[in-house]
Amino acid sequence: QKEVEQNSGPLSVPEGAIASLNCTYSDRVSQSFFWYRQYSGKSPELIMSIYSNGDKEDGRFTAQLNKASQYVSLLIRDSQPSDSATYLCAVTRSSNTGKLIFGQGTTLQVKP
Amino acid sequence: SQTIHQWPATLVQPVGSPLSLECTVEGTSNPNLYWYRQAAGRGLQLLFYSVGIGQISSEVPQNLSASRPQDRQFILSSKKLLLSDSGFYLCAWRPTGATNEKLFFGSGTQLSVL
Repeated sequence: QKEVEQNSGPLSVPEGAIASLNCTYSDRVSQSFFWYRQYSGKSPELIMSIYSNGDKEDGRFTAQLNKASQYVSLLIRDSQPSDSATYLCAVTRSSNTGKLIFGQGTTLQVKP
Repeated sequence: SQTIHQWPATLVQPVGSPLSLECTVEGTSNPNLYWYRQAAGRGLQLLFYSVGIGQISSEVPQNLSASRPQDRQFILSSKKLLLSDSGFYLCAWRPTGATNEKLFFGSGTQLSVL
């Protein structure tokens, strides 16, 4: 079982719709959770971080964490074509080393 | 402000040749440094991390090595490249003692081993 799992997609949504990206993790002691956006050929860019159960909103993005279910998600409201990218879920267990474990990423396509 | 530099941006190397990728961070002291690799269509795999000069931890057995000769310099090397070493290599840093684990990535090196 992979430590962090994501559906590779592609996930296709129309412009203006809500895109829902999901991620599960296997290690119950995971402490911190991140969503990175990566455009093709570019380095990942942090868009959301979440540390406690519940929802965290930042503009059009909402991260949701459920530690009991070992599940973290990212909602993108009013999706735009510029949101088309690969979204990487990452978790960390230790705050000392900062080692992030990444999922394989979900490719999102927002169609005009 | 802090910046991270990684070079070269692209590299094509024959099988069996050596490799040296360099990463430097400016504007901070004693950062945690990381090397990740991303194979085509795959997620990021942590290769090495370092919490200080000369301190290197390897995450996976492989054909690569890392060194940190200076506080803000991190080097990824190989004596003989394999086809399987192809991928997108990313250097990243994080402030030491940070209470969160936000990583800041360099621009990456696309390595093709032929």
